[in-house]
Amino acid sequence: AQRVTQPEKLLSVFKGAPVELKCNYSYSGSPELFWYVQYSRQRLQLLLRHISRESIKGFTADLNKGETSFHLKKPFAQEEDSAMYYCALSGVTQGGSEKLVFGKGTKLTVNP
Amino acid sequence: EAGVTQSPTHLIKTRGQQVTLRCSPISGHTSVYWYQQALGLGLQFLLWYDEGEERNRGNFPPRFSGRQFPNYSSELNVNALELEDSALYLCASSLRTSGRAWADTQYFGPGTRLTVL
Repeated sequence: AQRVTQPEKLLSVFKGAPVELKCNYSYSGSPELFWYVQYSRQRLQLLLRHISRESIKGFTADLNKGETSFHLKKPFAQEEDSAMYYCALSGVTQGGSEKLVFGKGTKLTVNP
Repeated sequence: EAGVTQSPTHLIKTRGQQVTLRCSPISGHTSVYWYQQALGLGLQFLLWYDEGEERNRGNFPPRFSGRQFPNYSSELNVNALELEDSALYLCASSLRTSGRAWADTQYFGPGTRLTVL
């Protein structure tokens, strides 16, 4: 079964410190992985996806198939990065249908 | 450009009642997705509609249903409401550019907060 685990419900760092939001997944096939972000009083939005291999707002995420992880990283956190972050996995089930599974989210707080 | 809109914003119902939530996608988007965000359970995929057809369904009972209209707007219906249906219901839309649903960027609405008493 597809599963996404975000082990930290809450993460607090100081401004300028590196930040890493962990995401581990369980999936037997070739997954597509995403990070979504929800800033306070704003809508949920796509932050980045692994197939794009892009850096958005200074965040990067590398798919590590050996460790089944897709951790989100930023070298220097900013206060405006404070938000709820969700890792998500898209994959095809044994029955051939696509499913999108979200982790339960990590609330990041960047302190001044 | 207007984003995804949802109505109503808030809703209070009692157990056993039925509810209809509405979603209008971004103009030109043909795919609509519904999600449930319940406290402590995170975001769970409910339904995906594209070009008026139900394309995929999450692990929810049949009392959760919906449809997509010719103008691509969508309704989510929940029958026989239960207390655990209390949640934020999010709608998202996307422009189908690839063969896989979630390869396309989804744009989310503000959600409808449903409280079941």
